Amino acid sequence: ETGVTQTPRHLVMGMTNKKSLKCEQHLGHNAMYWYKQSAKKPLELMFVYNFKEQTENNSVPSRFSPECPNSSHLFLHLHTLQPEDSALYLCASSQDGGTPTYEQYFGPGTRLTVT
Amino acid sequence: GQNIDQPTEMTATEGAIVQINCTYQTSGFNGLFWYQQHAGEAPTFLSYNVLDGLEEKGRFSSFLSRSKGYSYLLLKELQMKDSASYLCAVMDSNYQLIWGAGTKLIIKP
Repeated sequence: ETGVTQTPRHLVMGMTNKKSLKCEQHLGHNAMYWYKQSAKKPLELMFVYNFKEQTENNSVPSRFSPECPNSSHLFLHLHTLQPEDSALYLCASSQDGGTPTYEQYFGPGTRLTVT
Repeated sequence: GQNIDQPTEMTATEGAIVQINCTYQTSGFNGLFWYQQHAGEAPTFLSYNVLDGLEEKGRFSSFLSRSKGYSYLLLKELQMKDSASYLCAVMDSNYQLIWGAGTKLIIKP
């Protein structure tokens, strides 16, 4: 495996379900990110981990819970979601979250539908 | 507040040149990025500008004017595979990327 991988690629869940999204990067990077992408809207940064420490939480509802057990893995735990949470969830990584010149590498995303 | 503006959609002809503009207002500036995103795929990095001027990379060039809060992405010799969304993003003083909504570029034969 190379680059950034995400599983599952598609997920349909009810509002009472609990599920988790997984992201893995094989690039040796130290920063990982969760983004939400809704149609015709800018990417919304949700969480940032730099060297396994959470450095950013952009006022994300508590029904989204991130976990970063090591620099290569990132999870997004989901529970009691709302229909408006349906979107594409993208994971990204970069060499160092505190250095501006490093570009972010994105995974293919998980298409989430909440019914 | 922080804001990135770019056109929603543009159409161009195969073989032609197209310029996609981006204007920004952010708290601090640590560089401007352009990404390409094909439908159903991940965004991929195209360019990074932190100083004023033009950066050329093959058929793609990116320009920055920090005093005007303005950038553009120039695509030459357009190919059908260039049909995609182009995302402008600015890194603010907290090293977080602020994203525009993207410009959908449609290439016609």
